[in-house]
Amino acid sequence: GAVVSQHPSWVICKSGTSVKIECRSLDFQATTMFWYRQFPKQSLMLMATSNEGSKATYEQGVEKDKFLINHASLTLSTLTVTSAHPEDSSFYICSALPYPGQTTNYGYTFGSGTRLTVV
Amino acid sequence: GNSVTQMEGPVTLSEEAFLTINCTYTATGYPSLFWYVQYPGEGLQLLLKATKADDKGSNKGFEATYRKETTSFHLEKGSVQVSDSAVYFCARGGYQKVTFGIGTKLQVIP
Repeated sequence: GAVVSQHPSWVICKSGTSVKIECRSLDFQATTMFWYRQFPKQSLMLMATSNEGSKATYEQGVEKDKFLINHASLTLSTLTVTSAHPEDSSFYICSALPYPGQTTNYGYTFGSGTRLTVV
Repeated sequence: GNSVTQMEGPVTLSEEAFLTINCTYTATGYPSLFWYVQYPGEGLQLLLKATKADDKGSNKGFEATYRKETTSFHLEKGSVQVSDSAVYFCARGGYQKVTFGIGTKLQVIP
């Protein structure tokens, strides 16, 4: 149980275009999802916390107009990278709490990640 | 704030060698502790976890013991295999988010 599916697994886009990444909980309802960015040889950087039915909470330094997050249902959160530039190229990973109402002391279930390359 | 410190890699071992990857955490509150593994090109998978002091998490031959007195959660395996080659992340839970260490790349050579 507690599977998170992330789509697409990789994408190449032209500079200036927008890219949408989907994160779905397949067999559970995820009221809270998290979006991370991972740079080469570096750890995970939390970008934002996505709550179903409300605005996402962004971490300091993350541009909310650049990285649009929508969590419109209990099983789907999307991250849209708007007007992408080469410096946005990275590995983006989503995660969810496997049980609604659990604190993060329970741990996450992660998606498989999306490799974004902006050319 | 909450933080996790783990040894930097890469760690290169021969097959069947003993593995230790050190991890320490800040002692604020009573966090759960985790080890995640990331295989090349993939997301993270939970390897093991411990929720309170003296708990031992174990999975696939890997073990880690929650040591409150030393604020440590070192990952160990008695005999590594080539298939264990991956990046390992130590992490601690908290009320609002999980905090990750920098990740340690393990390379096991035949």
